[in-house]
Amino acid sequence: GQNIDQPTEMTATEGAIVQINCTYQTSGFNGLFWYQQHAGEAPTFLSYNVLDGLEEKGRFSSFLSRSKGYSYLLLKELQMKDSASYLCAARAADSSYKLIFGSGTRLLVRP
Amino acid sequence: DSGVTQTPKHLITATGQRVTLRCSPRSGDLSVYWYQQSLDQGLQFLIQYYNGEERAKGNILERFSAQQFPDLHSELNLSSLELGDSALYFCASSVDWGPNTGELFFGEGSRLTVL
Repeated sequence: GQNIDQPTEMTATEGAIVQINCTYQTSGFNGLFWYQQHAGEAPTFLSYNVLDGLEEKGRFSSFLSRSKGYSYLLLKELQMKDSASYLCAARAADSSYKLIFGSGTRLLVRP
Repeated sequence: DSGVTQTPKHLITATGQRVTLRCSPRSGDLSVYWYQQSLDQGLQFLIQYYNGEERAKGNILERFSAQQFPDLHSELNLSSLELGDSALYFCASSVDWGPNTGELFFGEGSRLTVL
């Protein structure tokens, strides 16, 4: 089976750094994705990790440890517009290769 | 703009009715995915098509069906609607299907309200 866990809500201050954690238990694994979703809008792709380590993309970085079933998304220099839900998703390693999403972490950035 | 087009954006209907949601993938994308997102819930995978063929099925109800047409657009049919079917229905597309497929690109969603 597959299970993805991430915190429900987080609060951070504008200009600060926040780390959103994600743990996954899957019968197979084929990559870990992070998406951003503003309320009522489409999810937009942020990052993808298939090997262990850190992937950096501007103010956003994502880390993966396959042996620990663990990933995090790091957001630096937080801006008010970063207030959104952040969705962690694992690609199934069965023949479906579908993305299995966690419930998302709602991030509130305060002034 | 992801390039994925979904219609209608909003739909209000009554219990017991049937609706059809339509999705046009990004130009060149062969895979189409349907996800359901209920209020404050995560994205639940419904079904996936690749180049006209069904590739994967999730927790899709028997009252729901989908297909992908030769021009690669897809339709999700929801019948005998219940109040609990009220949700955002997202379509997503990707270039291909397999372990090395990149990210999914999501449409803006179709918000279904069943009264």
